Amino acid sequence: GQSLEQPSEVTAVEGAIVQINCTYQTSGFYGLSWYQQHDGGAPTFLSYNGLDGLEETGRFSSFLSRSDSYGYLLLQELQMKDSASYFCAVRDRGTDKLIFGTGTRLQVFP
Amino acid sequence: EAGVAQSPRYKIIEKRQSVAFWCNPISGHATLYWYQQILGQGPKLLIQFQNNGVVDDSQLPKDRFSAERLKGVDSTLKIQPAKLEDSAVYLCASSDTAEFLTDTQYFGPGTRLTVL
Repeated sequence: GQSLEQPSEVTAVEGAIVQINCTYQTSGFYGLSWYQQHDGGAPTFLSYNGLDGLEETGRFSSFLSRSDSYGYLLLQELQMKDSASYFCAVRDRGTDKLIFGTGTRLQVFP
Repeated sequence: EAGVAQSPRYKIIEKRQSVAFWCNPISGHATLYWYQQILGQGPKLLIQFQNNGVVDDSQLPKDRFSAERLKGVDSTLKIQPAKLEDSAVYLCASSDTAEFLTDTQYFGPGTRLTVL
């Protein structure tokens, strides 16, 4: 089976850089993705890492290391609107199901 | 391009009552998902459709939950009878064939269900 662990909460100030970690135990998956969800809103897709290494999309970057069973989402130049919950997710090779992590609530302060 | 539509947005029922949720995915998306999201947790897949066929329903409590996707377009999820622990947000999502490979799913606004 799959389990993905994330810190429950992270706080930072505007303009700062924050890293949200995702550690997983899995028997096999295709890639690591990240979703953002504002309170009361729908999850929205942010990024996908199919291969090890860093993927950059604007202010957000995502990293995957399969050998370390570890990934992270890096948010730079934080803005108030980045306050949200962030979920990592993997698609299980055996079932093709997308399995979400426990989620990290990011609070950005002025 | 219109997003994933869901209705109703909110529903309050008493335990043992029935409830149904509706979802219209993005036009052309073959894959449709229903997720349950309990407050403070990540979404949990209930059922996944590919066109009008079920791909996975291993986590659907089939004694009380049912879902269908007639004609491979919109879908309904039903709970009958509801229990207190069914209080959650029910999210519908869809993806097309190419985006499925990069785990890109488009979520609707969800239905917040409260069971009293």
